[in-house]
Amino acid sequence: EAGVAQSPRYKIIEKRQSVAFWCNPISGHATLYWYQQILGQGPKLLIQFQNNGVVDDSQLPKDRFSAERLKGVDSTLKIQPAKLEDSAVYLCASSLVLAVSSEQFFGPGTRLTVL
Amino acid sequence: DAKTTQPPSMDCAEGRAANLPCNHSTISGNEYVYWYRQIHSQGPQYIIHGLKNNETNEMASLIITEDRKSSTLILPHATLRDTAVYYCIVNNYGQNFVFGPGTRLSVLP
Repeated sequence: EAGVAQSPRYKIIEKRQSVAFWCNPISGHATLYWYQQILGQGPKLLIQFQNNGVVDDSQLPKDRFSAERLKGVDSTLKIQPAKLEDSAVYLCASSLVLAVSSEQFFGPGTRLTVL
Repeated sequence: DAKTTQPPSMDCAEGRAANLPCNHSTISGNEYVYWYRQIHSQGPQYIIHGLKNNETNEMASLIITEDRKSSTLILPHATLRDTAVYYCIVNNYGQNFVFGPGTRLSVLP
């Protein structure tokens, strides 16, 4: 089966600019996650969707980050305006359902560099 | 903050078993232990999870102590392709995962 798709794979912007990332989860997966991974650290959950509803966005910096999952399928994560400390890999993951036994499948990530 | 403690790095000889420890002394009764790994420049990959019984799948074995305060992930015959960062995560209901820094495993030829 096709995996989680993300685009773009790489993005370089200047601080104060805006950027958007796109994620297409595995077909039929109800749960979608966005993680931020700073170099040398483990992934940090930003937001979690169940279908098109938000389950958890407690760690999303809402003054600059936003995310949506229209129609419960694809999702976009936006940063506006970007700061230097937003340089990281942004990972999208999906799981079949929100359950203990449901493994998360990760995409390859988008590497963002903010200059 | 992560609820687990792992050694920052470990080495293992190719073909030998790799035993990766994880301490989770504050684990709650309904929390599971999950293991993921991340190969360089890729997204994390699920390995295995368990509650209290030992578990085995085609990738690895998970040994959880009787008091559930620690666990060990075992890769029975490590290969060079097993070189990765391994994350131990304690979680219930499969949501709001907190990844720590993990253990960087180097499999040496």
